Amino acid sequence: EDQVTQSPEALRLQEGESSSLNCSYTVSGLRGLFWYRQDPGKGPEFLFTLYSAGEEKEKERLKATLTKKESFLHITAPKPEDSATYLCAVQAPGGGSNYKLTFGKGTLLTVNP
Amino acid sequence: NAGVTQTPKFQVLKTGQSMTLQCAQDMNHEYMSWYRQDPGMGLRLIHYSVGAGITDQGEVPNGYNVSRSTTEDFPLRLLSAAPSQTSVYFCASRRGRNSYEQYFGPGTRLTVT
Repeated sequence: EDQVTQSPEALRLQEGESSSLNCSYTVSGLRGLFWYRQDPGKGPEFLFTLYSAGEEKEKERLKATLTKKESFLHITAPKPEDSATYLCAVQAPGGGSNYKLTFGKGTLLTVNP
Repeated sequence: NAGVTQTPKFQVLKTGQSMTLQCAQDMNHEYMSWYRQDPGMGLRLIHYSVGAGITDQGEVPNGYNVSRSTTEDFPLRLLSAAPSQTSVYFCASRRGRNSYEQYFGPGTRLTVT
């Protein structure tokens, strides 16, 4: 069974204090790994897709990396507006027409000014 | 583009009542899906559609029906609401089979008493 585990469940940082969020996964035949940001009361907002080990993507203060077992979301010099829940999801073959997306429970990031 | 839109934003139902959650997208995406999000759990797939006239069950389909008569619309029907269906419901869309990036709507918060 495909599994996605995110850690930590919650992370509190001071503004400017860099850190990383972890997403470890167990899936056969990874088609893609996705990072989303979710603000309270809103739908998840797409951030990155990673397809193969060694791949990296960047957007402003965020950088996502991928290995064969896990992905990291690095946050450099975070600001209070980076506070949100960050979700990781994996796409695996199967589920009819290539549709099988498994989400982790998320990491709640709080950045204090 | 409005992206993915959902109505209503909030709904309270009594046990046994039925209702339809509306979802529409204006991006001409082939794939659409419904998820529910519960505290302490990841997003779970209810039903999905890979094109007009084609739907299939996801991870937690019981108690829900869907249909897809147009590319734009993908309503979710609760046949006889139960307290276990209290949740936040998200509709999502993606371009097609080889495009894995999903775009989510703002969600509908449903309470069943």
